[in-house]
Amino acid sequence: AQSVTQLDSQVPVFEEAPVELRCNYSSSVSVYLFWYVQYPNQGLQLLLKYLSGSTLVKGINGFEAEFNKSQTSFHLRKPSVHISDTAEYFCAVSVDDYKLSFGAGTTVTVRA
Amino acid sequence: EAGVAQSPRYKIIEKRQSVAFWCNPISGHATLYWYQQILGQGPKLLIQFQNNGVVDDSQLPKDRFSAERLKGVDSTLKIQPAKLEDSAVYLCASSPNLEDRESNYGYTFGSGTRLTVV
Repeated sequence: AQSVTQLDSQVPVFEEAPVELRCNYSSSVSVYLFWYVQYPNQGLQLLLKYLSGSTLVKGINGFEAEFNKSQTSFHLRKPSVHISDTAEYFCAVSVDDYKLSFGAGTTVTVRA
Repeated sequence: EAGVAQSPRYKIIEKRQSVAFWCNPISGHATLYWYQQILGQGPKLLIQFQNNGVVDDSQLPKDRFSAERLKGVDSTLKIQPAKLEDSAVYLCASSPNLEDRESNYGYTFGSGTRLTVV
């Protein structure tokens, strides 16, 4: 079975500073990887996904992530955050059955 | 296109009562999912439908939870009787059943139903 570990439960960051959210996965087979964002009282919105091809994936709102197979990681980055990026971020993994296994989430708080 | 609709948005019930949640997926989406998100945790899949058939319900506590998707469109998730540990947000998601993986992983989630069991 596959699993996801998000290494930081909370990440405070100042506006216009860079942010990195760490995600590691475990699986005995090839995986597909995802990052979702959840704003308060809303559902999950897909930021980006890695299915194949280039290991550097660009998503919406200026986010990007890099798939590192040797380190079994899929860290999410943004070079300059805004107040509106305050939200909870979830990393997820799938093994080609379209079912997602999520990490516990990372709360990002952006301060002015 | 309209998103995934869920109702109610909030529900408070006493333990041992029953409750039902409703989901209307995006039009034409063949696959429908119910996820349970307990506070402080990531969502966990409860059940996956393909049209009106169940693909995977291995994580559904069948002694108290049931779900159906009549006619392959709307879906209802029921809990009877509810326990305190069922307090969570119940998220519905849908995706098309096309040939390409890119489309099928393009989930759309609803805003969820927040259940509080007291």
